[in-house]
Parts: sequence; structure tokens; C-alpha cells
Amino acid sequence: EADIYQTPRYLVIGTGKKITLECSQTMGHDKMYWYQQDPGMELHLIHYSYGVNSTEKGDLSSESTVSRIRTEHFPLTLESARPSHTSQYLCASSESAFTGKNIQYFGAGTRLSVL
Amino acid sequence: DAKTTQPTSMDCAEGRAANLPCNHSTISGNEYVYWYRQIHSQGPQYIIHGLKNNETNEMASLIITEDRKSSTLILPHATLRDTAVYYCIVSSTFGNEKLTFGTGTRLTIIP
Repeated sequence: EADIYQTPRYLVIGTGKKITLECSQTMGHDKMYWYQQDPGMELHLIHYSYGVNSTEKGDLSSESTVSRIRTEHFPLTLESARPSHTSQYLCASSESAFTGKNIQYFGAGTRLSVL
Repeated sequence: DAKTTQPTSMDCAEGRAANLPCNHSTISGNEYVYWYRQIHSQGPQYIIHGLKNNETNEMASLIITEDRKSSTLILPHATLRDTAVYYCIVSSTFGNEKLTFGTGTRLTIIP
């Protein structure tokens, strides 16, 4: 079983609030990812990190930001939540580059509803 | 990364083998084939991956054709808990390690 944790699992919040979605992994993985998925739709990569102090934007543009100060922690922040941010956010991690494998381990996700 | 093509949905009787096909005709020599599944909006779960040889683990078997242009994921004795969306993904092991999940195949196991 993968040791990657996301909190909260569910979040209902009003428009304009600042929110932070937490993601932590205990596997010592260098690489971490954030995906966004609407119900019944595809997963879209919105942010990724190759290690501490490394962050990159993914394939889908997002108003969220991320930080990677510690290897095990990759929080996602929305400065001012809007109803269009309502979605499921999934965090994942994988081993270092050039291992010949690209196995990503996912957390259970955070379901965000912005009213 | 090479694109993949999968059927939108499939049904399989409980206890039978579920065979999920995937076409990846533009795959290049340094790209692996990965299979993940996602059960009811949980986080995706890694199943298996391979380069050119057939692979088997405790969850499934992966059969890759000799020309590597297609593959089949086999769940040998499907159970109701195998109902999920199955994603076939091709990804290079060098540099770009992002995974593109696509729409996958929705597999429904019928009692």
C-alpha cells in the first residue's frame, strides 16, 4: 500500500476564501504531482515537482499554486476560491527520475465544492 | 508520449477473464506501457507495466504484441471489485515522466 495522504477528504467553502489542500507522502519520493478531475471526466495534471524547491505547471492551466519546501510535503493553495474551482484534486508521488519506472502512487483525493 | 486508443466500455461476467485491449501504434522504443485503474473516483491505482515482454503480477497479466503496437491487460478471474475505469498509458522513461490518463475503458463486472 502506498503511503500518501491527502487532507481534507471533503471541503465545502464559500467564494473568496483562501484554501490549502494538503498532500504528504512517507515513501521518500522525489517526484510529486497534483491532478484535477471533474466527475466522469479525465484526470488533468495541473502541477508537478521533481524535488525540493522545484515546481512546474502541468498540462492544464490552474489558478492554484504549489510549494515544495520538504520532500514529503506538497501543498496546493487557492488564494481566492471560486465556484469554477469545484472539482476533485488528486495528489500523487513517484520514485526518482531515470529509474526506468514511472509508477505513481495516488492519494484518496480531496473533493472541493466552492459555493 | 505516444497516444493510446481504448474501447470506451466493456462488460465481463464475474469469474471470467477480462481482456482489455489497447492500441499504441506510435509507441517508440524507449516507451513503456502502463496500466492503471480508478475505482469510483478514488485515486488511480497502478496495476502493471511492461516494455516488450509479457508481464504478470498478483493483479494481472500484460500481453504486448511483438511489434509493440498494441497490448492487452488480462484480469484472470474478474470479481465485482474489479469494476473500474482502466487506463492504458505509454510513457517514456527518459526526461518527460508525466502520465496522460486519457478516458480509459470503463469495465463493468456482471454478477
